Amino acid sequence: AQSVTQPDIHITVSEGASLELRCNYSYGATPYLFWYVQSPGQGLQLLLKYFSGDTLVQGIKGFEAEFKRSQSSFNLRKPSVHWSDAAEYFCAVGNTPLVFGKGTRLSVIA
Amino acid sequence: DAGITQSPRHKVTETGTPVTLRCHQTENHRYMYWYRQDPGHGLRLIHYSYGVKDTDKGEVSDGYSVSRSKTEDFLLTLESATSSQTSVYFCAISGGSKGEDTQYFGPGTRLTVL
Repeated sequence: AQSVTQPDIHITVSEGASLELRCNYSYGATPYLFWYVQSPGQGLQLLLKYFSGDTLVQGIKGFEAEFKRSQSSFNLRKPSVHWSDAAEYFCAVGNTPLVFGKGTRLSVIA
Repeated sequence: DAGITQSPRHKVTETGTPVTLRCHQTENHRYMYWYRQDPGHGLRLIHYSYGVKDTDKGEVSDGYSVSRSKTEDFLLTLESATSSQTSVYFCAISGGSKGEDTQYFGPGTRLTVL
């Protein structure tokens, strides 16, 4: 069965610091992988996606993610966090329908 | 972003009453989904549709039914609402020209069952 694990429920980083959010998945084949972001009171917005090809994918808002098949991971990174990045982040895997992780809440401090 | 609207955006109702939430899309996407979001649980799939009149259950379908009589509309019905169905409900769509499996989400409906 497909599953997604986001090991960190809550992460706090300082503004300007680098960020890495972890995502591990279980899937029977090469998966489609996604990261979404949700600001408070809002719907989910697609940050980036991996279908095939280059394992390092670029997304919106300066985010990137790297697919590592050997580690079954798809970690999200950003080199310098801005206060506006404070939100909840969801990793998702699969086909139709997707399976979502439980999310990681990011807090940004000055 | 995809044209997805949900109505109502907020609703307060009483236990035992029927409730219908509507999702409307203007993108002609094939697939439509209903999720609920609760603290500590992330997003959980309730039902989804892969075409007009074609639907399937998700992981938390008990107490919910759906209907899709037109491509653009996907209705979620709580036949007899319970307090455990207090949640935020999100509709999503996929299957458009930009990518079969990319899901786009609506703004959500906050439902409170007293």
